[in-house]
Amino acid sequence: NAGVTQTPKFQVLKTGQSMTLQCAQDMNHEYMSWYRQDPGMGLRLIHYSVGAGITDQGEVPNGYNVSRSTTEDFPLRLLSAAPSQTSVYFCASRRPGLEKTQYFGPGTRLLVL
Amino acid sequence: AQSVAQPEDQVNVAEGNPLTVKCTYSVSGNPYLFWYVQYPNRGLQFLLKYITGDNLVKGSYGFEAEFNKSQTSFHLKKPSALVSDSALYFCDQDSNYQLIWGAGTKLIIKP
Repeated sequence: NAGVTQTPKFQVLKTGQSMTLQCAQDMNHEYMSWYRQDPGMGLRLIHYSVGAGITDQGEVPNGYNVSRSTTEDFPLRLLSAAPSQTSVYFCASRRPGLEKTQYFGPGTRLLVL
Repeated sequence: AQSVAQPEDQVNVAEGNPLTVKCTYSVSGNPYLFWYVQYPNRGLQFLLKYITGDNLVKGSYGFEAEFNKSQTSFHLKKPSALVSDSALYFCDQDSNYQLIWGAGTKLIIKP
């Protein structure tokens, strides 16, 4: 199993540009989520999904969209990038129920100029 | 509001000495508590978790944590630190998919 994969590893955007961060998992996990990591702030939940076709907002959803058309994929879209979105983005997945251990991807480092 | 506190931004320990990374939580009911480790330029890796049962939880790489309900704490411990334990450690509380993360503690193990 590849686990959770993320692409790209690093991206530079100009303010106002759009892009999609890709996330895929091959563990058949129903739950998937996107986090951003900023220095001194830990992880903050952007959006999450409890299954295909179901998404919900986390703590910091503004400026981001998600969709979940398949169990495997959970892309994160930045519609109009802003410098405040410069961060490291992590995708994670887990099984439902009491097995709450999350499996993280390697991260995408995003720089918005 | 629910919160997870990691009161130390950084912990310095000499190799071979015991280490403790602190975490306190605030939640009503029974919390699900986790520790994750992040090595440089890597994603987070699961270390251990408390769901229910024995208050002393053993995890990967020789780490353990003790759930203390009266003190609302879930401190991470290891009897003898290794230089390779140097990393960023996160405490996480999971309550009905409301995930609450601590800000992280940088652990530095000096040879």
